Amino acid sequence: NAGVTQTPKFQVLKTGQSMTLQCAQDMNHEYMSWYRQDPGMGLRLIHYSVGAGITDQGEVPNGYNVSRSTTEDFPLRLLSAAPSQTSVYFCASSYSAALTYEQYFGPGTRLTVT
Amino acid sequence: GESVGLHLPTLSVQEGDNSIINCAYSNSASDYFIWYKQESGKGPQFIIDIRSNMDKRQGQRVTVLLNKTVKHLSLQIAATQPGDSAVYFCAENINTGNQFYFGTGTSLTVIP
Repeated sequence: NAGVTQTPKFQVLKTGQSMTLQCAQDMNHEYMSWYRQDPGMGLRLIHYSVGAGITDQGEVPNGYNVSRSTTEDFPLRLLSAAPSQTSVYFCASSYSAALTYEQYFGPGTRLTVT
Repeated sequence: GESVGLHLPTLSVQEGDNSIINCAYSNSASDYFIWYKQESGKGPQFIIDIRSNMDKRQGQRVTVLLNKTVKHLSLQIAATQPGDSAVYFCAENINTGNQFYFGTGTSLTVIP
């Protein structure tokens, strides 16, 4: 298994540009999520999905959209990038939507918005 | 948001010593906890978990202790090695809900 994969690893955007961060897992996990990690802070949940076709907001959803058309993929879209969205983004997945199992994290995407 | 905090932001230990990393949480309904290790430039990696019906759980060189009375959890690493140098996060899940809440992390440095 490849586990959780994310692309790209690095990205630089100009303010106002849009882009999609890709996330895929090959473990047939129900639950997938996106976090952002800022210096000196813990991970904050952006959006999550408990199964294909179902998504919901986390702590910091503004400026981001998600969709879950398949079990494997959970892309994160930045609609109009802002410097405040400069961060490291992690995708994670878990076997159960009940979240009583560990989450597996991808390697992260480092995004800079100028 | 939910409060999950760490008592010390940094910790330095000598190689071979034991390390203890602490975490406080505020919600008594938290029922599942995980410790993660994050090395520089990588995603968090699962170390050990514990459910609220347990007080202690042991893994390989690691032990997690949960004190529900004072809402405190700790990670003990035995015989700390240079490869243990990383940032350690605790995370909690409340009422088997759909979100984990993460602490800010403790940076562990192992001195050879």
